[in-house]
Amino acid sequence: KNQVEQSPQSLIILEGKNCTLQCNYTVSPFSNLRWYKQDTGRGPVSLTIMTFSENTKSNGRYTATLDADTKQSSLHITASQLSDSASYICVVSDRGSTLGRLYFGRGTQLTVWP
Amino acid sequence: EADIYQTPRYLVIGTGKKITLECSQTMGHDKMYWYQQDPGMELHLIHYSYGVNSTEKGDLSSESTVSRIRTEHFPLTLESARPSHTSQYLCASSDGGAVTGELFFGEGSRLTVL
Repeated sequence: KNQVEQSPQSLIILEGKNCTLQCNYTVSPFSNLRWYKQDTGRGPVSLTIMTFSENTKSNGRYTATLDADTKQSSLHITASQLSDSASYICVVSDRGSTLGRLYFGRGTQLTVWP
Repeated sequence: EADIYQTPRYLVIGTGKKITLECSQTMGHDKMYWYQQDPGMELHLIHYSYGVNSTEKGDLSSESTVSRIRTEHFPLTLESARPSHTSQYLCASSDGGAVTGELFFGEGSRLTVL
């Protein structure tokens, strides 16, 4: 069964600290993996998209890594800010059909305290 | 910033009422999607469209219906709302396939049925 599991479910850190969020997936055949940030009551906003051949991609203070062999991805946030408080969602696409399909994780709820 | 808009942002209605959630995008995207999201849970695809006069049901069974008469407009309708329909509804559009394209989300419509 194709699944996307994220950990931890929730995380609290102090402003200025770094943190790493995890995503494990069983989606096959794999096409790409995306990380989204979703502020409370808002729609998700894309942070990164990585294909099979990419193992690192950065977007400002956000760095995503991908290990397609172990089917794991991480999102590292550097020097956290209060505005980083949000849910971070891992989304994996398959290429099992011409149209593909998206599999969503439940997200990691990050809270940054001053 | 994505040019995709949802109205209303918040709606509280009584059981049995008919409601329409509006979604419009100005990016000229052919592909549009409706997702349902409950707190702490993953997004579930309920409807999608690959162009004018094309609509398909998603993975999650839904009593709602959609239409796509114009490229930019993808409204979702519930003929008779029930408390079980209480949820967050997210509209999205894509500049390519769901696998290869960037997915842009609206701000969401939070529906509460009393």
